[in-house]
Amino acid sequence: GAGVSQSPSNKVTEKGKDVELRCDPISGHTALYWYRQSLGQGLEFLIYFQGNSAPDKSGLPSDRFSAERTGGSVSTLTIQRTQQEDSAVYLCASSGLGGRNTQYFGPGTRLTVL
Amino acid sequence: SQQGEEDPQALSIQEGENATMNCSYKTSINNLQWYRQNSGRGLVHLILIRSNEREKHSGRLRVTLDTSKKSSSLLITASRAADTASYFCVINAGGTSYGKLTFGQGTILTVHP
Repeated sequence: GAGVSQSPSNKVTEKGKDVELRCDPISGHTALYWYRQSLGQGLEFLIYFQGNSAPDKSGLPSDRFSAERTGGSVSTLTIQRTQQEDSAVYLCASSGLGGRNTQYFGPGTRLTVL
Repeated sequence: SQQGEEDPQALSIQEGENATMNCSYKTSINNLQWYRQNSGRGLVHLILIRSNEREKHSGRLRVTLDTSKKSSSLLITASRAADTASYFCVINAGGTSYGKLTFGQGTILTVHP
């Protein structure tokens, strides 16, 4: 594929339910990032993967948030027992060479927790 | 904080005019990047300037960096209505922060046709 893809593009869920957000990075990119953007705000860093390992999980807001990456490619961000404050656009980015190059962003998943 | 702070928060100009946005930061940096975000194209990387560079051009974009003042500016010349978007100054602190980007709140640019 030409760019980073994310699915679903929109997700509406009820408070307390679990959700999974998927990111397909650009082929060959070793670094993958998850960010969150709340309404009218800048992006908030969540987690960084280099290959399949996550050296930096410092941005995950609580233990309800987890992420994994398999095969050095696809990544899944899971939010358990969703809360209304989890509502945001979740953006994934990928880059080569450990992230010191340009990050290419996907279109995001808009999550709404009712 | 590693966050860049953009100024102004909002800017409204007429098509054809130049737009200048400023960014200040507080930490040492590996590089500084500018991104644009609009509803049509999402978040798009515009330009990257390394800490040892002072000025960089890309089409109608000109970015300057003054590491002694910890500031950067983005100039868009001959603006177009399609330039309407939010513009983010993004810090890459490098070191143990590898590629982690820290976004500011952004400048909302409106270009009137």
